Amino acid sequence: GAVVSQHPSWVICKSGTSVKIECRSLDFQATTMFWYRQFPKQSLMLMATSNEGSKATYEQGVEKDKFLINHASLTLSTLTVTSAHPEDSSFYICSAGTGLAGGSRYTGELFFGEGSRLTVL
Amino acid sequence: QKEVEQDPGPLSVPEGAIVSLNCTYSNSAFQYFMWYRQYSRKGPELLMYTYSSGNKEDGRFTAQVDKSSKYISLFIRDSQPSDSATYLCAMSVGPGNQFYFGTGTSLTVIP
Repeated sequence: GAVVSQHPSWVICKSGTSVKIECRSLDFQATTMFWYRQFPKQSLMLMATSNEGSKATYEQGVEKDKFLINHASLTLSTLTVTSAHPEDSSFYICSAGTGLAGGSRYTGELFFGEGSRLTVL
Repeated sequence: QKEVEQDPGPLSVPEGAIVSLNCTYSNSAFQYFMWYRQYSRKGPELLMYTYSSGNKEDGRFTAQVDKSSKYISLFIRDSQPSDSATYLCAMSVGPGNQFYFGTGTSLTVIP
């Protein structure tokens, strides 16, 4: 199946610093990528939808100035957590889908990255 | 009311048992139903997806959708220790629309 690579897999940073997480689709072009965060024993929470070449669409309650998303190419999206604080510590996961834009056939698949565990001290 | 409800478990079964995982939902517009498996500290991977109502079988896994009851199930036959993971249900109204995830059910298969 299609592969989505996420980097770094874990990161520890000091409070007040910024952290960038990359999400790459390795063998397909992803017009749309999704960013989620997951707290322990809780479900995935969609943070934003990232469309190549346009601004990301953020879910209600997600601070767009804190979680900067850039989708500069069809294979790369980045999430930058700015001025990170301990409450931002979480597991961040990206996913990418094929056929989600333009009304093409829907495969029903979202390919997920391995996730990035962020710990803010 | 949450869009999707899923019992978080944990669920513990002996090897070889039949496992039943379930989700209920409130939005009758959902048409696409997915089951994901997530191993600890990994991203979810798609197991099955079903469009509208009915059953779908893939090896030891069977997915069922009952739209009249707004209820979906995943059955695992002859469960194996390697099936130990968290199983997430997800659903969507259609292509390009937001996915709504359940909280996930933690499953442990004991050898």
